[in-house]
Amino acid sequence: DTEVTQTPKHLVMGMTNKKSLKCEQHMGHRAMYWYKQKAKKPPELMFVYSYEKLSINESVPSRFSPECPNSSLLNLHLHALQPEDSALYLCASSLSGSVTGELFFGEGSRLTVL
Amino acid sequence: QQQVKQSPQSLIVQKGGISIINCAYENTAFDYFPWYQQFPGKGPALLIAIRPDVSEKKEGRFTISFNKSAKQFSLHIMDSQPGDSATYFCAASKGNQGGKLIFGQGTELSVKP
Repeated sequence: DTEVTQTPKHLVMGMTNKKSLKCEQHMGHRAMYWYKQKAKKPPELMFVYSYEKLSINESVPSRFSPECPNSSLLNLHLHALQPEDSALYLCASSLSGSVTGELFFGEGSRLTVL
Repeated sequence: QQQVKQSPQSLIVQKGGISIINCAYENTAFDYFPWYQQFPGKGPALLIAIRPDVSEKKEGRFTISFNKSAKQFSLHIMDSQPGDSATYFCAASKGNQGGKLIFGQGTELSVKP
């Protein structure tokens, strides 16, 4: 199984809503990532979890709150988002966060903030 | 110093032709240079990657050429096919932050039949 599974695929929320994005992998990877991708732009790193601990936060606003319940799961909690936060949110995983190697990306959750 | 510059922004190639995408970097601490392919509505997928101790790596129709002294690397797609039409991102990362990929701006490739 070489898949990273993300749910939901599409999400529409208002600026006052609270929602969560979920990500799961069963490849035994110990690093998991959230990337944000705007249309026709490259992915931008938001957070890195290594061995279930937050190791990188790229100065992301606090309205995005990551959570790593175990080595297979990664959540991104969303609260009081702005319309400019509308984007494709990509989850990825790799064997390790401290050694270079392949990142496996999910298909993403497309978020629209009204 | 963290940037990776990619060109061209878009590329149109006839079927059977060679597609060439170029990238340049500044940070000499980078030690891993992957290329990702992304189809519309999908996440990026690793196509091929190279480390700075080799100058070329070939996998099927895809070749990375790496010039360490010039701090440049490029992707060559031989015998380009319509199914290769996608957005291609070069990227770079360094050993102690392996998952922190610094992406180029992307190249939208269209292969015409």
